Amino acid sequence: QQQVKQSPQSLIVQKGGIPIINCAYENTAFDYFPWYQQFPGKGPALLIAIRPDVSEKKEGRFTISFNKSAKQFSLHIMDSQPGDSATYFCAASMRDSSYKLIFGSGTRLLVRP
Amino acid sequence: SQTIHQWPATLVQPVGSPLSLECTVEGTSNPNLYWYRQAAGRGLQLLFYSVGIGQISSEVPQNLSASRPQDRQFILSSKKLLLSDSGFYLCAWTVQGNTEAFFGQGTRLTVV
Repeated sequence: QQQVKQSPQSLIVQKGGIPIINCAYENTAFDYFPWYQQFPGKGPALLIAIRPDVSEKKEGRFTISFNKSAKQFSLHIMDSQPGDSATYFCAASMRDSSYKLIFGSGTRLLVRP
Repeated sequence: SQTIHQWPATLVQPVGSPLSLECTVEGTSNPNLYWYRQAAGRGLQLLFYSVGIGQISSEVPQNLSASRPQDRQFILSSKKLLLSDSGFYLCAWTVQGNTEAFFGQGTRLTVV
């Protein structure tokens, strides 16, 4: 119930391609779904986030698509660049006193020049 | 602006030795604080969180403990380290009532 399942585990695309990373959840009490980007040896950085009252959110080249009925959400990276090569984590949290995040297992993205 | 400091950046400790990792947040009051652990090539596992001074919630049973002696200070400890305690430890914070979490740069702990 508390898990967030993320796929694929790794992804390789050419520069300019559109990598898509998918996540699924079970707990319908989750109401906040962020994506984090992590470079080797660094802490994760918040990239973009969505709430279930919208189906899509776009910030620059990053887009979240959200399907509430399917309990799935995904990250699309438009016009991907070698500098986007990193590990991406989806997460979910619910509106309780802790606001703790439950993370997916991560996707290692490599964008080839 | 708010910043989070975590130290040390790397640590090599022998099995059976004690551990103390410290995290402090600047520029905010009464934050929620979190300790996560990331095993090599794996996701982030929540270990502890705190919604106030002296208030600690543990997410998984383990060889570690946490304390919050001051509003913006969060400490992760162990009396005797195990090999399985090796990993990348991350501190994070959120503003009370807000879901956006910000992470420190992490501590790479290797238990030998």
